[in-house]
Amino acid sequence: DADVTQTPRNRITKTGKRIMLECSQTKGHDRMYWYRQDPGLGLQLIYYSFDVKDINKGEISDGYSVSRQAQAKFSLSLESAIPNQTALYFCATSDRGLAGGPLFFGPGTRLTVL
Amino acid sequence: GEDVEQSLFLSVREGDSSVINCTYTDSSSTYLYWYKQEPGAGLQLLTYIFSNMDMKQDQRLTVLLNKKDKHLSLRIADTQTGDSAIYFCAERTPGSGGYQKVTFGTGTKLQVIP
Repeated sequence: DADVTQTPRNRITKTGKRIMLECSQTKGHDRMYWYRQDPGLGLQLIYYSFDVKDINKGEISDGYSVSRQAQAKFSLSLESAIPNQTALYFCATSDRGLAGGPLFFGPGTRLTVL
Repeated sequence: GEDVEQSLFLSVREGDSSVINCTYTDSSSTYLYWYKQEPGAGLQLLTYIFSNMDMKQDQRLTVLLNKKDKHLSLRIADTQTGDSAIYFCAERTPGSGGYQKVTFGTGTKLQVIP
């Protein structure tokens, strides 16, 4: 089945450490996104990418960076993790050719920064 | 700006209908979505509706859109225990540079009582 996968699924780290979260998709979609979910706050967009050479900041990009290594791969980095980056992180994809452009989400990565 | 609001919690008995409500503020929305999130999982697309429609039915799911009141609802007929989850409403609105922003509500937790 065409899918969106994320690694790792869970990660505990310490303040100041560099962390990379990875996302891969087999859906063949051109657009990829990183979202953060905090309890009671819905989802907030961190970065999005329309293709390998097109990367854009979202609503809450400070403290994060991304890399689109290939059409199917989009990674999120925290250069120096801090406790308020503890959250659930989701990768998502969409297809500009699909009417309605719905987002398809990965299973999420639960990140805890101590 | 865009804002999407949902009630936090809904409890129903198995076999009854559930109605989850959502209000949004941006009248320029193009599509509206309903997602389901089960514990430990990502967001699963349930259904979506184009903004010039007022109703969409898909098996046990009925979406009603009142564009004048900026109100969206999701009705689940014959609710089952497997429907217990958090349900997110989201709207897509025009943005800049070809990006159409998707704004999520904070989610409604549906509890189904056997």
